[in-house]
Amino acid sequence: DGGITQSPKYLFRKEGQNVTLSCEQNLNHDAMYWYRQDPGQGLRLIYYSQIVNDFQKGDIAEGYSVSREKKESFPLTVTSAQKNPTAFYLCASSIGDQDTQYFGPGTRLTVL
Amino acid sequence: EDKVVQSPLSLVVHEGDTVTLNCSYEVTNFRSLLWYKQEKKAPTFLFMLTSSGIEKKSGRLSSILDKKELFSILNITATQTGDSAVYLCAVVTSGSARQLTFGSGTQLTVLP
Repeated sequence: DGGITQSPKYLFRKEGQNVTLSCEQNLNHDAMYWYRQDPGQGLRLIYYSQIVNDFQKGDIAEGYSVSREKKESFPLTVTSAQKNPTAFYLCASSIGDQDTQYFGPGTRLTVL
Repeated sequence: EDKVVQSPLSLVVHEGDTVTLNCSYEVTNFRSLLWYKQEKKAPTFLFMLTSSGIEKKSGRLSSILDKKELFSILNITATQTGDSAVYLCAVVTSGSARQLTFGSGTQLTVLP
């Protein structure tokens, strides 16, 4: 089955620790995206990548980092520099020149 | 700064009612508008609208875009408890990447 997978589903982190969220897709999509969702708010774009080995900052990139070494994978690292990392993180992908993005199931990160 | 505003923020109805959800936007270089349904986890794609006045329909759900007045509506007829979800509106702007700007969503609760 084609789709987007994210792991883990739930993640707990102590303050000061870096954590990496996984996002994998087997849809052969060129573009991949990371969003953050806070309660009562819409999704905000963290980073996106249109091709392998290239990515751009979104609206709220500070305290996050990404890599795109393979077309299928777009991991997100939440660093200790992110002041308020507790949130629901969603990964999405799309065919390069099309508007519709398809989402993974999300990772809920809680900082203790 | 691009802005997408959804109303109402929340709505409680009974099964069988008809609901109208609103999405207005102020963006530069509008390209398309997307509606998603989010039930706890991943947003699932409902509609993409690019042209004014053309209704998109899928079962009991329908949506229309007014590019002159800069808004879209999502209608759900004969609501069911399974329609309970957050409905997200997102606008795509032209550019080198298909970036989405999301509204904060409308929480719809359908009571039996």
